[in-house]
Amino acid sequence: DQQVKQNSPSLSVQEGRISILNCDYTNSMFDYFLWYKKYPAEGPTFLISISSIKDKNEDGRFTVFLNKSAKHLSLHIVPSQPGDSAVYFCAASGGDSWGKFQFGAGTQVVVTP
Amino acid sequence: DAGVIQSPRHEVTEMGQEVTLRCKPISGHDYLFWYRQTMMRGLELLIYFNNNVPIDDSGMPEDRFSAKMPNASFSTLKIQPSEPRDSAVYFCASSQGQLGYTFGSGTRLTVV
Repeated sequence: DQQVKQNSPSLSVQEGRISILNCDYTNSMFDYFLWYKKYPAEGPTFLISISSIKDKNEDGRFTVFLNKSAKHLSLHIVPSQPGDSAVYFCAASGGDSWGKFQFGAGTQVVVTP
Repeated sequence: DAGVIQSPRHEVTEMGQEVTLRCKPISGHDYLFWYRQTMMRGLELLIYFNNNVPIDDSGMPEDRFSAKMPNASFSTLKIQPSEPRDSAVYFCASSQGQLGYTFGSGTRLTVV
């Protein structure tokens, strides 16, 4: 049962433009969300987080938005840079699964010159 | 800090053989997680430990899989006997509370 879904397996965006990655979840008990970035042959690295008490968190070029009623979060990257080309995973935790993050399948982002 | 250390980086083994993957978490982290990444299912949580105690192993696919954490600085994931469908990248991650995981670089397992 996939409780965290990233329905876009890939995204291509021009350098300098905005990248928007989407993530949906089904468990209403989830209250803490993370985004990870993964380069080939490396482990995922933490990017940004958001808790359910907020609807937006910003860190430099990266902003995560949370819509609790829609059980939806998104990651915005502005402006996109070639080094952003990677696979991005969203992850969620909360309720009785506290400390145990469920990951989405990932979205491959390719930033073109 | 060297981060989460996994070994080996690559493992190729024949079907039916025993495979042992190793992980050294970050010192001071009290949670340790084993994940498996496949193209079809993304990152799947297999098992996690809190203070060396297995908390949830519901993600372990079969009895062929077992994991141990004999002390705070070492964990193993064992597959016996291995099968071709076990081929994947296995990640270990550690965390202190819910501050976000730190992942190791993974072990790419190929079972032929």
